[in-house]
Amino acid sequence: QSALTQPASVSGSPGQSITISCTGTSSDVGSYNLVSWYRQHPGKAPKVMIYEVTKRPSGVSNRFSGSKSGNTASLTISGVQAEDEADYYCCSYAGGSTVVFGGGTKLTVL
Amino acid sequence: QLQLQESGPGLVKPSETLSLTCTVSGGSISSSSYYWGWIRQPPGKGLEWIGTIFYSGNTYYNPSLKSRVTISVDTSKNQFSLKLSSVTAADTAVYYCARLRLERRRMGSVDYWGQGTLVTVSS
Repeated sequence: QSALTQPASVSGSPGQSITISCTGTSSDVGSYNLVSWYRQHPGKAPKVMIYEVTKRPSGVSNRFSGSKSGNTASLTISGVQAEDEADYYCCSYAGGSTVVFGGGTKLTVL
Repeated sequence: QLQLQESGPGLVKPSETLSLTCTVSGGSISSSSYYWGWIRQPPGKGLEWIGTIFYSGNTYYNPSLKSRVTISVDTSKNQFSLKLSSVTAADTAVYYCARLRLERRRMGSVDYWGQGTLVTVSS
């Protein structure tokens, strides 16, 4: 069970859109629509932003959206804001009642 | 409002067993709609799923840690626990307890997290 692959960092100016990719395999991301995304500010617990690939929990801004194509899932933040600067992690069900996280991506708002 | 709170020693000696308990308040651990799990994060690094338990007692572990991990549940106390044996410095991390949703009849996203507790492995 290997960690999902995310870019180490992405950046964007306020108001721009950014996309974070999450690449797995046909055994995890590619086989199940059970990808979730988490935002983590320094010293805080993660917070779910997207679940089941595309769904937003109540209270999460509609600036956050998710998608998937093949073995790669993506998180898009439209109109990036200063408060979005954080670490982002993807997670996928990986079969056999296991889950696997991505390595994390640091979003810098310029 | 559901709350999860980790408790246990913040310092464990190498080769010993790390033990943590998660107390759930504001909701019942005996729900067929959720799993309960442990996730850790070494300082400055990413998240790692350790394992999960269902209220019935069924357990599921990360294959890379399976030989050292035991997760148990005490429904009478609304608690679940983690034991990690033969620890080394590599097990130093913030340990989170969490609730995972049952989605599409499988283990899904984490919707509630504890605040996390730092466990340091050192002599």
